Amino acid sequence: AQSVTQPDIHITVSEGASLELRCNYSYGATPYLFWYVQSPGQGLQLLLKYFSGDTLVQGIKGFEAEFKRSQSSFNLRKPSVHWSDAAEYFCAVGARNYDKLIFGTGTRLQVFP
Amino acid sequence: EAQVTQNPRYLITVTGKKLTVTCSQNMNHEYMSWYRQDPGLGLRQIYYSMNVEVTDKGDVPEGYKVSRKEKRNFPLILESPSPNQTSLYFCASRPGVNTEAFFGQGTRLTVV
Repeated sequence: AQSVTQPDIHITVSEGASLELRCNYSYGATPYLFWYVQSPGQGLQLLLKYFSGDTLVQGIKGFEAEFKRSQSSFNLRKPSVHWSDAAEYFCAVGARNYDKLIFGTGTRLQVFP
Repeated sequence: EAQVTQNPRYLITVTGKKLTVTCSQNMNHEYMSWYRQDPGLGLRQIYYSMNVEVTDKGDVPEGYKVSRKEKRNFPLILESPSPNQTSLYFCASRPGVNTEAFFGQGTRLTVV
């Protein structure tokens, strides 16, 4: 069965600092991988996705993520965090021809000025 | 504007009083789903639909019903809500089988 682990429940960074949010998945083949962001009181917005090809994917708002098959990871990165990045971030996995996404439990990001 | 619209955004109800949360998308998407979000559990799929009149259970379907009579609408029905259905609910749609999902703004439901 597929599963997604986001080991960090809560991360605090200073504005301008770099950021890495961790995501590990369990799946027998190469899955489809997604990062979503949920701002307070908002729905989920897609940041980026990996389906195939280049393992370093670029997303919106200056985010990128790298798929590492050997580590079953899809970590999200941003070189310089802005106060507006404070939100909850969800990693999600879908199998080929998926009916549903499997979500991690989320990482809440707090940004200090 | 392309979007998934849920109504209501907030709802407080009493145990046993039937309710419906509506979901509509204007992108002509084939697939639609309902998820619930609970602290420490992430999002879990309740039901999904691959097309009109085609629905199937997700991971946590107990206590919920859905229907897909039109392509754009996918209402979630709670026939007899209970306090353990207090949650944040999201509707999502996507164009095809291997595509990303677009989410609505969410409906925060409280059952007392």
